[in-house]
Amino acid sequence: GQNIDQPTEMTATEGAIVQINCTYQTSGFNGLFWYQQHAGEAPTFLSYNVLDGLEEKGRFSSFLSRSKGYSYLLLKELQMKDSASYLCAVRSGGATNKLIFGTGTLLAVQP
Amino acid sequence: DSGVTQTPKHLITATGQRVTLRCSPRSGDLSVYWYQQSLDQGLQFLIQYYNGEERAKGNILERFSAQQFPDLHSELNLSSLELGDSALYFCASSVDQGTEAFFGQGTRLTVV
Repeated sequence: GQNIDQPTEMTATEGAIVQINCTYQTSGFNGLFWYQQHAGEAPTFLSYNVLDGLEEKGRFSSFLSRSKGYSYLLLKELQMKDSASYLCAVRSGGATNKLIFGTGTLLAVQP
Repeated sequence: DSGVTQTPKHLITATGQRVTLRCSPRSGDLSVYWYQQSLDQGLQFLIQYYNGEERAKGNILERFSAQQFPDLHSELNLSSLELGDSALYFCASSVDQGTEAFFGQGTRLTVV
């Protein structure tokens, strides 16, 4: 089966750094993705990891450890507009390469 | 704008009815995915197509069906609608089965 776990909610302060964790158990693995979703809007792609290590993209970084089934998204210099849900998604690999999403972490950025 | 187009944006219909949601993927994308997102819920994977062929099924009800046409657009058909089918339905597309997927703006379905 497939299981992707993220904290339900987090709160952080404007200008600070926040780390959102994701753990996964899937029957196969072919990459991990992070998306941002504002309420009622479409998810937008943030980052992609397929090899172990850190990928940096501006204020956002994502880390992957395949042996531990673990990833995190790091958001630096938080802005109010970063208040949103952050979705961790895993491609299962194999013939189907399903893209399965976790339930998301709702981040509230406070002044 | 992701380049993925979904129509209609909003749909209100009665229980027992049937509706069709349409998705046009980004130019060049061969994979299309459908997801359902109920209020305060995560994205539930429904079904995936690649170049016209069904590749994976998720938690899709028997009352729901989909297809991808030769021009690569896709349709999701929902029949015998129930109140619980009210949700945002998202379509996403990707170049192939390994790259990131880009989402359309969704169709908000309300069943009354």
